[in-house]
Amino acid sequence: QQQVKQSPQSLIVQKGGISIINCAYENTAFDYFPWYQQFPGKGPALLIAIRPDVSEKKEGRFTISFNKSAKQFSLHIMDSQPGDSATYFCAASGRSNYQLIWGAGTKLIIKP
Amino acid sequence: ETGVTQSPTHLIKTRGQQVTLRCSSQSGHNTVSWYQQALGQGPQFIFQYYREEENGRGNFPPRFSGLQFPNYSSELNVNALELDDSALYLCASSLVIGQGYGYTFGSGTRLTVV
Repeated sequence: QQQVKQSPQSLIVQKGGISIINCAYENTAFDYFPWYQQFPGKGPALLIAIRPDVSEKKEGRFTISFNKSAKQFSLHIMDSQPGDSATYFCAASGRSNYQLIWGAGTKLIIKP
Repeated sequence: ETGVTQSPTHLIKTRGQQVTLRCSSQSGHNTVSWYQQALGQGPQFIFQYYREEENGRGNFPPRFSGLQFPNYSSELNVNALELDDSALYLCASSLVIGQGYGYTFGSGTRLTVV
């Protein structure tokens, strides 16, 4: 019940295309859903996060879509650029947790 | 304002040895969390410290221990190293105790156990 399942494991998108990464969770006590971006040799950096009281949040080219009933959330990267090439992690936490529960990551490659 | 600084960046140890990893929190952050990230996986929560006391712990054995100092810097100690301890160790500081938001991560320490 503590798992967050992320797909796909890897993704190749043409420059200018839309990158979509999906995550699913089981624990209905989760109430915070962030996405992190990690470049090689660096720690994760918060990209965007959502709470379950909204179905969508947009920040620039990055959008989180949240489906509470399906217990799924996804990251959409519009107009994907080569600089977006990185590993993306979804995560979840709740008031009873002291921690973030992380997905396994998606390695995104944007082809020029 | 500085970010989170971890040292050393890379480390090679022999099985059975002990290791200490260090973390300097972002200015003003009073909570520090440690995560282990194995190659190709998401980070796994080790523990969190708030005001020098352990505030929560993940599924790691007691040979993983930590300290937080009055200036909010922190150490992660691992005794009796095993090959499976090879990983990237991440420190995250935050202003919020408990829930995993408001984190600022360091770049990590890459530990290799041979």
